[in-house]
Amino acid sequence: AQSVTQLDSQVPVFEEAPVELRCNYSSSVSVYLFWYVQYPNQGLQLLLKYLSGSTLVESINGFEAEFNKSQTSFHLRKPSVHISDTAEYFCAVKETGANNLFFGTGTRLTVIP
Amino acid sequence: DAGITQSPRHKVTETGTPVTLRCHQTENHRYMYWYRQDPGHGLRLIHYSYGVKDTDKGEVSDGYSVSRSKTEDFLLTLESATSSQTSVYFCAISESGGGLGQPQHFGDGTRLSIL
Repeated sequence: AQSVTQLDSQVPVFEEAPVELRCNYSSSVSVYLFWYVQYPNQGLQLLLKYLSGSTLVESINGFEAEFNKSQTSFHLRKPSVHISDTAEYFCAVKETGANNLFFGTGTRLTVIP
Repeated sequence: DAGITQSPRHKVTETGTPVTLRCHQTENHRYMYWYRQDPGHGLRLIHYSYGVKDTDKGEVSDGYSVSRSKTEDFLLTLESATSSQTSVYFCAISESGGGLGQPQHFGDGTRLSIL
């Protein structure tokens, strides 16, 4: 069965420090991978996605994620975080040909001034 | 931002009453989804629709029904609400299903409390 694991429920980090939010998945078929961000009292916003091609994908606000097929991971990284990055981040996986999107339980990133 | 409107945004009701949540989109997307978000569970799919009058069950469909009579509207109904259905409900839309990897875009959610 397909599942998504976000190993860290909370990640505190100081402003301008680097951060990595971990995501692992299990699936027996090819997948599409997504990271979403949720700010307080708002819906989820798409941060970045991996569909095919280059395994390193980037967002417009400095985040990047790398698809590692052998480790079934899609970790999210940012070299220098800002206060405004404080939010909850969700990793999501969709098997190719399927309609369902499976979410991890989320990681709450708190950036400390 | 994707044109998705959820209504109501907040609702408090009593156990045993019927509740209907509405999702309205202006994007003319074929696929629409209902999720619930609970602490420690992330988002879980309740039902989805792949066209007018075409729906299917998700991971946590028990106690919920849906209807889609128009492309732009997708309704979620709790026939007899229970306290375990207290949650934040999100609607999402996408242009296509899984084949092309199109992402889903989310509304701002409905916070439902059942007392």
